[in-house]
Amino acid sequence: GEDVEQSLFLSVREGDSSVINCTYTDSSSTYLYWYKQEPGAGLQLLTYIFSNMDMKQDQRLTVLLNKKDKHLSLRIADTQTGDSAIYFCAVPFSGGYQKVTFGTGTKLQVIP
Amino acid sequence: EAQVTQNPRYLITVTGKKLTVTCSQNMNHEYMSWYRQDPGLGLRQIYYSMNVEVTDKGDVPEGYKVSRKEKRNFPLILESPSPNQTSLYFCASSLLRGSSTEAFFGQGTRLTVV
Repeated sequence: GEDVEQSLFLSVREGDSSVINCTYTDSSSTYLYWYKQEPGAGLQLLTYIFSNMDMKQDQRLTVLLNKKDKHLSLRIADTQTGDSAIYFCAVPFSGGYQKVTFGTGTKLQVIP
Repeated sequence: EAQVTQNPRYLITVTGKKLTVTCSQNMNHEYMSWYRQDPGLGLRQIYYSMNVEVTDKGDVPEGYKVSRKEKRNFPLILESPSPNQTSLYFCASSLLRGSSTEAFFGQGTRLTVV
């Protein structure tokens, strides 16, 4: 199956950029996803990138995909205290959506 | 409002006492899934269902059962809970086909087995 790795914790100062990294093993995934989990809540889709793209920008969010290295990253510009949450990358197995494998989640702490 | 509803939100039970966590979605999604979330392990898939009467094991199915008798409901059953099933559980639903469809998650059920 899929193996998806993330670092567990990231701390940044308010106003700085945050970069959350994710590595995976299965290269046949069609879409790769980032989800955000706020305290006490379920996961919500934050953004996604199609596997034939290298970069996708959506307001303060930039997703970078390096297929050769199987590396996905999420950059949050001008990080705010409201961005404090756990961020999960999610990779569908073998191109389908059925067996999505989530990373371990990166807890982002924003220091005022 | 489009949503996935799980009940209960919190549950404390004793070892061996059967329990059911309910999950219901109002978006007519074919695909539903159960995950457990544990510190340092992320989300692990327990079971999933691609349609009514179609279910399959995820990565950690041992000790769990599911059923999909109706499209909107996907209950998670623990026949004989054990302390290692203490965890935070999430139900999710989405459209089935592999487009960029969003997975909608419930609010979670925190289960403690003593």
